[in-house]
Amino acid sequence: AQSVTQLGSHVSVSEGALVLLRCNYSSSVPPYLFWYVQYPNQGLQLLLKYTSAATLVKGINGFEAEFKKSETSFHLTKPSAHMSDAAEYFCAVSDQAGDKLIFGTGTRLQVFP
Amino acid sequence: GAGVSQSPSNKVTEKGKDVELRCDPISGHTALYWYRQSLGQGLEFLIYFQGNSAPDKSGLPSDRFSAERTGGSVSTLTIQRTQQEDSAVYLCASSITSGRTFTGELFFGEGSRLTVL
Repeated sequence: AQSVTQLGSHVSVSEGALVLLRCNYSSSVPPYLFWYVQYPNQGLQLLLKYTSAATLVKGINGFEAEFKKSETSFHLTKPSAHMSDAAEYFCAVSDQAGDKLIFGTGTRLQVFP
Repeated sequence: GAGVSQSPSNKVTEKGKDVELRCDPISGHTALYWYRQSLGQGLEFLIYFQGNSAPDKSGLPSDRFSAERTGGSVSTLTIQRTQQEDSAVYLCASSITSGRTFTGELFFGEGSRLTVL
């Protein structure tokens, strides 16, 4: 069965520092992978997705993620954190039937001035 | 409305009572999902509706949970005889599919926070 594991339930960075949020997947078929973001008191929104085209995927707000099959990873990065990036981030994989998403447990990002 | 609308935003109930949570998806979206968000548990899939097909109920945790979608639009999630472990945020999402292509882009509502005392 498809699944994702997010390493680190909390990540803290200083403003301007690199953001790295880790996600590893388990999939018996070539996966579609996603990152969603949940800002405080808001619904989740799609940040970016990988659907077997380019392995480096660029999303909104300067985030990007790289699909690495050899490492079964899809880590999310941003070169320079901004205070407004403080949110909870969820990695997700499409299930084997390809009609719904299986989410990870989430990583809460804190950004300090 | 422009987005997915859920009601109530907050619900406090006593153990053993039944609750109904409502979701109004984006107009024209054929797929509707319910997820449960608990602290430290991430998002847990509950149920999925696609057009007129039979729903995928594989994520419902017990027979106390049920959902329906009337007229291919509004959906209601019902929890009977609520238990304290049912306390969570219940999220609804909708999506548009192009033929059999799953885009993976789900549009989420802000959720219904359920507290069972």
